[in-house]
Amino acid sequence: GAVVSQHPSWVICKSGTSVKIECRSLDFQATTMFWYRQFPKQSLMLMATSNEGSKATYEQGVEKDKFLINHASLTLSTLTVTSAHPEDSSFYICSARDGVGEVDEQFFGPGTRLTVL
Amino acid sequence: GQNIDQPTEMTATEGAIVQINCTYQTSGFNGLFWYQQHAGEAPTFLSYNVLDGLEEKGRFSSFLSRSKGYSYLLLKELQMKDSASYLCAPMDSNYQLIWGAGTKLIIKP
Repeated sequence: GAVVSQHPSWVICKSGTSVKIECRSLDFQATTMFWYRQFPKQSLMLMATSNEGSKATYEQGVEKDKFLINHASLTLSTLTVTSAHPEDSSFYICSARDGVGEVDEQFFGPGTRLTVL
Repeated sequence: GQNIDQPTEMTATEGAIVQINCTYQTSGFNGLFWYQQHAGEAPTFLSYNVLDGLEEKGRFSSFLSRSKGYSYLLLKELQMKDSASYLCAPMDSNYQLIWGAGTKLIIKP
């Protein structure tokens, strides 16, 4: 099956710093990439949807100036958490869709665990 | 609104069979996915149903009734490694997956 990687797997940073998370589709071109956040014992929460070469569509309540998304190519999307605070500590997961298969499946990256001190 | 209803937690015995039910309400419908998520990991794809009926894939089967807004995931010959959360995720008219909190399945020896 299709493979999606994320980097880093985990990161610890100080409050006020910015953190960049990369999401790559390794063996397919992702027409659409999704960014999710998941707090412990809660459901996945969609943060934004991005299509290559266009601005991301953010879900209600997600600050686009705080969570910067860049989908510069068909295989790479980045999420930058700017001026991170402890309440941003969470599990961030990206997924990618190639849009060509019979099943409109989203392939998930392994996730990035962010801890803000 | 859109919502998913699954049991919060279920317990089953190794070697047994368990059925995890899911009812949903979405704006439009473009199929329903089941994902498995182990603690601290990202979800992995299990199955996809877009037509009514049963889809069988090895030890796992998934059923869909669109008119009832109902699906279930059936796991047979349970193994300890099946202990995980199982997420029912219908896809709405915008091709967005709608996520609930999932069902935590605990397998006992």
